[in-house]
Amino acid sequence: GNSVTQMEGPVTLSEEAFLTINCTYTATGYPSLFWYVQYPGEGLQLLLKATKADDKGSNKGFEATYRKETTSFHLEKGSVQVSDSAVYFCALIRNTGGFKTIFGAGTRLFVKA
Amino acid sequence: DTEVTQTPKHLVMGMTNKKSLKCEQHMGHRAMYWYKQKAKKPPELMFVYSYEKLSINESVPSRFSPECPNSSLLNLHLHALQPEDSALYLCASSQDDSLRYNEQFFGPGTRLTVL
Repeated sequence: GNSVTQMEGPVTLSEEAFLTINCTYTATGYPSLFWYVQYPGEGLQLLLKATKADDKGSNKGFEATYRKETTSFHLEKGSVQVSDSAVYFCALIRNTGGFKTIFGAGTRLFVKA
Repeated sequence: DTEVTQTPKHLVMGMTNKKSLKCEQHMGHRAMYWYKQKAKKPPELMFVYSYEKLSINESVPSRFSPECPNSSLLNLHLHALQPEDSALYLCASSQDDSLRYNEQFFGPGTRLTVL
């Protein structure tokens, strides 16, 4: 079936550290892939997306590359800030009787000053 | 305007009450969604409306009743809920529900508590 697996959190980093949050997926065909972010007390916001293999999505210093060979879409940022503290969800879209977004379990990130 | 608004922000209701959650968007999107999110969990899809017609119902209990009066509005009517229905209810919209355009815009959610 279609599924998304994210690394378990929480992830705790110091400000200016390098961030990687791993995401792998299982899907038939070529799904679109997304990273959403949820700040405390808010809804989800789209952070970045990629719709085909080798695409790189980027936004606000975050990047992720759609790797078909490893079925991965890892999120990276070179230098995190305290304001990046949030929950990050990797997601894909599947098409089985209607298009549906499948979310990973989410990874909570804490950034310390 | 790239905003999805939801009202109320917080709702406390008893198990015998009837209440409604409201969602609105003015981005011209033709797909709208209801999700339920429990603490420390990802959102779970409940319903999808596409061009004002219900296209997906994820086997949600009948005590939740969605309604899409027009392309900008989405309601969720609540009746005889259980305490385990307490959660954050998120509304989202997208340009349509086809693969290529399914970037979703989320509202801030309604925090529901059932006593």
